[in-house]
Amino acid sequence: NAGVTQTPKFQVLKTGQSMTLQCAQDMNHEYMSWYRQDPGMGLRLIHYSVGAGITDQGEVPNGYNVSRSTTEDFPLRLLSAAPSQTSVYFCASSPRTGQNIQYFGAGTRLSVL
Amino acid sequence: DAKTTQPTSMDCAEGRAANLPCNHSTISGNEYVYWYRQIHSQGPQYIIHGLKNNETNEMASLIITEDRKSSTLILPHATLRDTAVYYCIVRVSSNRDDKIIFGKGTRLHILP
Repeated sequence: NAGVTQTPKFQVLKTGQSMTLQCAQDMNHEYMSWYRQDPGMGLRLIHYSVGAGITDQGEVPNGYNVSRSTTEDFPLRLLSAAPSQTSVYFCASSPRTGQNIQYFGAGTRLSVL
Repeated sequence: DAKTTQPTSMDCAEGRAANLPCNHSTISGNEYVYWYRQIHSQGPQYIIHGLKNNETNEMASLIITEDRKSSTLILPHATLRDTAVYYCIVRVSSNRDDKIIFGKGTRLHILP
């Protein structure tokens, strides 16, 4: 089992560029989430999904889009990157049953110049 | 979800028990206490959770007070690899809403 896989691990963008951060899980989990983490701060929820075809906003959704066409994948799109989006991004998944323990990926470190 | 209060940082000697406190005075009856940790540059890792009874697993023990307004995570024999930020989270274990709201956590330093 690979668990939650995030790609790329590192990325540098110029202001205004677009890109997609990939997240895939092979545990057949219904729930998936995206967080960002800035220096000295805890994780902040960007968007989440409770199942294929369903997404919702978290604490800091502005500047990001998501979609959930399959159970396995939950990509995060930056349509026009800004320096304020420089951060470490974590994807997480959890099963629908009972305790909703979240499993996190290793993260994507993004710099926007 | 109820808010939690944790100390910003703590130190613990290697080999000793690390006791990390968390206050959650506004916790509701159906809310669980979850603990995660984040080792430097890695994704957060689930440790343990509980409702009202004390819980123990291979990683840690969780002690919840009788009024459920506070809890303590215990790492029985701390090692250098336990140096991390520890997050206490209170939330309903629900099938419909999987949001986890992380605070700033406690930075635990294990001293050799």
